[in-house]
Amino acid sequence: DGGITQSPKYLFRKEGQNVTLSCEQNLNHDAMYWYRQDPGQGLRLIYYSQIVNDFQKGDIAEGYSVSREKKESFPLTVTSAQKNPTAFYLCASSISRGSWETQYFGPGTWLLVL
Amino acid sequence: GESVGLHLPTLSVQEGDNSIINCAYSNSASDYFIWYKQESGKGPQFIIDIRSNMDKRQGQRVTVLLNKTVKHLSLQIAATQPGDSAVYFCAFKGSNYQLIWGAGTKLIIKP
Repeated sequence: DGGITQSPKYLFRKEGQNVTLSCEQNLNHDAMYWYRQDPGQGLRLIYYSQIVNDFQKGDIAEGYSVSREKKESFPLTVTSAQKNPTAFYLCASSISRGSWETQYFGPGTWLLVL
Repeated sequence: GESVGLHLPTLSVQEGDNSIINCAYSNSASDYFIWYKQESGKGPQFIIDIRSNMDKRQGQRVTVLLNKTVKHLSLQIAATQPGDSAVYFCAFKGSNYQLIWGAGTKLIIKP
């Protein structure tokens, strides 16, 4: 099956700890995105990557970091600098670097702070 | 900044009736608009999109209407079914080519 996978579904972080959320796609899409969703809210863009080895900050990049070493993978690290990380994190991809339309989403990861 | 507004947090509809979900967008220059459906605990799913050179587009049981004069976007769902229960998001392409998302409308289906 083609699609986007995110793991784990639930992730727990201790204070002061960095955690990495996985996102993998086998759709052969060039562009990938990370969004944060707080309960009852819309999506806010954290980072996006239009092509391998390139990524750009979104609206709320502070306290997060990403890498794009492979076309299929776009992991997100939530660092200890992110003071309020509890949220639902969504990864998405779109077919080409200029194609902001029709983003395909993964199932999401819940990040909870202990 | 760019934003999406004019949304109802919750909309209750009788099963079998038509549903209409509304959004207002801020950027008159935007040329692309999209609706997503998000079921509880899942990622959003694409429903339908429309470009600014159109004012109406139809899919299976769904219709999107775009009124550029008043910067208003709506999603109509015909003969609403229990499986339509979800949060519906509108989004538009912002000036920096990123999608600007609304806060979503939760559609509740009454039996």
